[in-house]
Amino acid sequence: EAGVAQSPRYKIIEKRQSVAFWCNPISGHATLYWYQQILGQGPKLLIQFQNNGVVDDSQLPKDRFSAERLKGVDSTLKIQPAKLEDSAVYLCASSPFIRRDLGTEAFFGQGTRLTVV
Amino acid sequence: AQTVTQSQPEMSVQEAETVTLSCTYDTSESNYYLFWYKQPPSRQMILVIRQEAYKQQNATENRFSVNFQKAAKSFSLKISDSQLGDTAMYFCAFMKPPPSGTYKYIFGTGTRLKVLA
Repeated sequence: EAGVAQSPRYKIIEKRQSVAFWCNPISGHATLYWYQQILGQGPKLLIQFQNNGVVDDSQLPKDRFSAERLKGVDSTLKIQPAKLEDSAVYLCASSPFIRRDLGTEAFFGQGTRLTVV
Repeated sequence: AQTVTQSQPEMSVQEAETVTLSCTYDTSESNYYLFWYKQPPSRQMILVIRQEAYKQQNATENRFSVNFQKAAKSFSLKISDSQLGDTAMYFCAFMKPPPSGTYKYIFGTGTRLKVLA
């Protein structure tokens, strides 16, 4: 089966500019995650969708970050305006979670490396 | 709040040897899942092994096995017969299912493993 697709792979922008990332999860996966991975750190959850509803966005800086999941499938993550500290890899992942004892594995995309200068 | 700690930032092992990566976590829950994910330079996170907390038997996947000590809140990964392709960042992760959780993954800071020829 096709994996989680993300684009772009790399992006360089100046501070205060805006940027958007796109994610296409594995077909049929109900749950979609966006993680931020700063160099030298583990991934940190920004937002989690179940179908097209938000389950957890407690660590999303809502003054500058926004995300949506269209029709419970593709998702976009936007940053506006960007700050230097937003430089990181942004990982998208999806999971089926059909039953509690199934689908605990999250499948990750290759991420987008964002550099803010 | 749950936390995951990986105290070994970097490790190296000779090819064909065995290495153990450490992970401890903090939770008051009794039902949860633990994972080891591998992140090669391509950045795509790949599931190595998972453990359900209610299972006493340690999980194994070919050359990979875990030592799950629930009372000590310890979850170490043993890689036997190390191969050059095992060179990667390894992340320990904790996940709590509903009703008390949301299938949110909490990652440690990672251990960089280098397998030497």
